[in-house]
Amino acid sequence: GENVEQHPSTLSVQEGDSAVIKCTYSDSASNYFPWYKQELGKRPQLIIDIRSNVGEKKDQRIAVTLNKTAKHFSLHITETQPEDSAVYFCAAGGNTGRRALTFGSGTRLQVQP
Amino acid sequence: NAGVTQTPKFQVLKTGQSMTLQCAQDMNHNSMYWYRQDPGMGLRLIYYSASEGTTDKGEVPNGYNVSRLNKREFSLRLESAAPSQTSVYFCASAGSGNEQFFGPGTRLTVL
Repeated sequence: GENVEQHPSTLSVQEGDSAVIKCTYSDSASNYFPWYKQELGKRPQLIIDIRSNVGEKKDQRIAVTLNKTAKHFSLHITETQPEDSAVYFCAAGGNTGRRALTFGSGTRLQVQP
Repeated sequence: NAGVTQTPKFQVLKTGQSMTLQCAQDMNHNSMYWYRQDPGMGLRLIYYSASEGTTDKGEVPNGYNVSRLNKREFSLRLESAAPSQTSVYFCASAGSGNEQFFGPGTRLTVL
């Protein structure tokens, strides 16, 4: 089955700095890579995703890059703000709901004001 | 649109008791999922239903059963609860593109 590893487990940055979270996956058949943000006591929420036919996707201050050859993908957050503080999860899986997602273990991001 | 709803929000059980967690979605999604999240950890898949009428085991299915009642509803049953099942349980649903949307969660404590 799929195995997703996520690093680092914790990340502390100063407000305005950039943050990068990296994930690797094992199954070359995976072709959908979402990122979720989970605030304390809340449900995970999808913030951005990428499919294997693109290498990079951007949405305002967040971007995701994918290297299918190396089987890794990364989340980049620029100009971090205190409200970006949360736990971020990467996941890998199929393009349709027929193939379930496997989640990484999460990165706790703290943005210091 | 309520999205994905779960009941109950909180539950305390004694070891050996049974209960059913309910999940419903109003987004006309084909696929539904049950995850558990232990403190400081990621989401582990218990069971999923890729479409109405089908269910499959995930990473941690032991001690659980599921029922896909119809397209909207997917329930999770604990037949004989154990302290190791103390966790937060999330239900999720996904449409054709596999973007998963999560419910608010059920916080379960087994004494």
